[in-house]
Amino acid sequence: QKEVEQNSGPLSVPEGAIASLNCTYSDRGSQSFFWYRQYSGKSPELIMFIYSNGDKEDGRFTAQLNKASQYVSLLIRDSQPSDSATYLCALFVYSSASKIIFGSGTRLSIRP
Amino acid sequence: GAVVSQHPSRVICKSGTSVKIECRSLDFQATTMFWYRQFPKQSLMLMATSNEGSKATYEQGVEKDKFLINHASLTLSTLTVTSAHPEDSSFYICSAEKVEETQYFGPGTRLLVL
Repeated sequence: QKEVEQNSGPLSVPEGAIASLNCTYSDRGSQSFFWYRQYSGKSPELIMFIYSNGDKEDGRFTAQLNKASQYVSLLIRDSQPSDSATYLCALFVYSSASKIIFGSGTRLSIRP
Repeated sequence: GAVVSQHPSRVICKSGTSVKIECRSLDFQATTMFWYRQFPKQSLMLMATSNEGSKATYEQGVEKDKFLINHASLTLSTLTVTSAHPEDSSFYICSAEKVEETQYFGPGTRLLVL
């Protein structure tokens, strides 16, 4: 099982609707979770980070974390064409060489 | 803010030459920086973790003698691709850890080896 799993998509959502992106992970000890957005040909950009169970809201973005079920999600309200990108889920892994593990990303397409 | 820069943004070189890529944290100090590689339509692949003042930690399968990393200061890490070959052509991205566990990415360097 991969450490971080995401549906590769593409996920197509009409403009103005809510886009829901999901991610599951295998390391029960993980405490820190991140969502990055990556436009084609560009480097990733940090969107949200979440450490505690529950919801965390920032503008149109809401991150949801459920450690018992080992999933983290990202909701994008009032989706805009500019939200079309690949969204990477990531988590921090504590080990001899602590690092962030990235999922393979979900391609999101917002159709006008 | 948390701004990370990379230079150059794009480089084309001949096979067999070496290429140096710089990664700088502009408005914060970073004891830890990371180097990633990304091939088209693939996810990020962590190459190595760069620690200021000590040797880099390389991921399995990454040749440390080919990808030389130097983290000489709290704001600068460099990646040198030695004796580059066409298969090394890729998008190289660095990130810097601002606060514990949170990474901010540079804009990336696109390398093309002819």
